[in-house]
Amino acid sequence: DSGVTQTPKHLITATGQRVTLRCSPRSGDLSVYWYQQSLDQGLQFLIQYYNGEERAKGNILERFSAQQFPDLHSELNLSSLELGDSALYFCASSPNGGTTDTQYFGPGTRLTVL
Amino acid sequence: GQNIDQPTEMTATEGAIVQINCTYQTSGFNGLFWYQQHAGEAPTFLSYNVLDGLEEKGRFSSFLSRSKGYSYLLLKELQMKDSASYLCAVRDSNYQLIWGAGTKLIIKP
Repeated sequence: DSGVTQTPKHLITATGQRVTLRCSPRSGDLSVYWYQQSLDQGLQFLIQYYNGEERAKGNILERFSAQQFPDLHSELNLSSLELGDSALYFCASSPNGGTTDTQYFGPGTRLTVL
Repeated sequence: GQNIDQPTEMTATEGAIVQINCTYQTSGFNGLFWYQQHAGEAPTFLSYNVLDGLEEKGRFSSFLSRSKGYSYLLLKELQMKDSASYLCAVRDSNYQLIWGAGTKLIIKP
């Protein structure tokens, strides 16, 4: 158990809908990262937050957005969902987001868009 | 551009040794990570190298050569539970992790 929690574990929805994925980082970690992993594909970095502020952006679609709240939990919002958005979405956290940090991953949310 | 190369798939026998290679071309280097990921599960941290040489951790060892842009993960005394994907990731000059596509390791009895 990495100490990173994600909810929900599974999510099934329809095309065109909007969903919110939630992540709580490990105690004391200030940085949160979001990744997408489609079936049999590598990890695609979406976005990073550090202490409430956006720090880095990867291949995140405009239909997707994220935020990190004062209590450091983070939410990833996916809207106008398409079939191709079906994937595992992982959240990871690290103490500071730089230098020697190691990222620790949550169990993921499996999103299925029908 | 930034690039990390790993073999797509490898097969090895239970009890044997396997070496998974990773080569990288990134803008700057601030460390290399190896993660293990079982199918449908979260990646779990295995090792971190920032200086040249070999880091040993039980049955797993990781080697780094910064001048060659090369690393390998060595798994000894393979067990069936080692069947998983192994992900190589490099932290670049902006402290962002660049991920390889992963190597799927299949262990046969």
